[in-house]
Amino acid sequence: GAGVSQSPSNKVTEKGKDVELRCDPISGHTALYWYRQRLGQGLEFLIYFQGNSAPDKSGLPSDRFSAERTGESVSTLTIQRTQQEDSAVYLCASSMGQVEKLFFGSGTQLSVL
Amino acid sequence: KQEVTQIPAALSVPEGENLVLNCSFTDSAIYNLQWFRQDPGKGLTSLLLIQSSQREQTSGRLNASLDKSSGRSTLYIAASQPGDSATYLCAVWGGYNKLIFGAGTRLAVHP
Repeated sequence: GAGVSQSPSNKVTEKGKDVELRCDPISGHTALYWYRQRLGQGLEFLIYFQGNSAPDKSGLPSDRFSAERTGESVSTLTIQRTQQEDSAVYLCASSMGQVEKLFFGSGTQLSVL
Repeated sequence: KQEVTQIPAALSVPEGENLVLNCSFTDSAIYNLQWFRQDPGKGLTSLLLIQSSQREQTSGRLNASLDKSSGRSTLYIAASQPGDSATYLCAVWGGYNKLIFGAGTRLAVHP
């Protein structure tokens, strides 16, 4: 596609529910990243994929968070048993390869009530 | 551990002014440095990328410089316009697998 696409753009959920956030990277981009941005704060790295493998999961805040990537394309970030502290904008980005220019999607605004 | 700091945190200027945003990083062993713009409710737009071997990059009214040895970068915006109002983020590659961001500078350009 022309750019990185994320869905949904907004998600409101109740505490304790599971949510899935989707990212469609730019076609041909082998590297994919997830970041989280809490209100008024900077970007927090969550996870990095090279192809379908995730060599760096160091930013995932707890075992309630998981992510996968298939077909070297779409990625899904899953948050189980959501907590209010999970409320944030979740941003996905992709690049041609390592240390290349990064292109971001518009993000998913997650609100946990 | 790489840390990125941006000064000032916020800036308000009248239209037409030239301005400088500052970024510093603690580990000079970087691959490259990237400047982004973030508009409210939207993702990040890449503005400029400077490779570690380069000193500066220019795009229109924007000029970014890099002094790797001192761990500094500046983003120069010429003849600012209200449409330049946004948050500007500086980021460096901390190794090959993650871009580390500063907290950003919120810029407001008023007519």
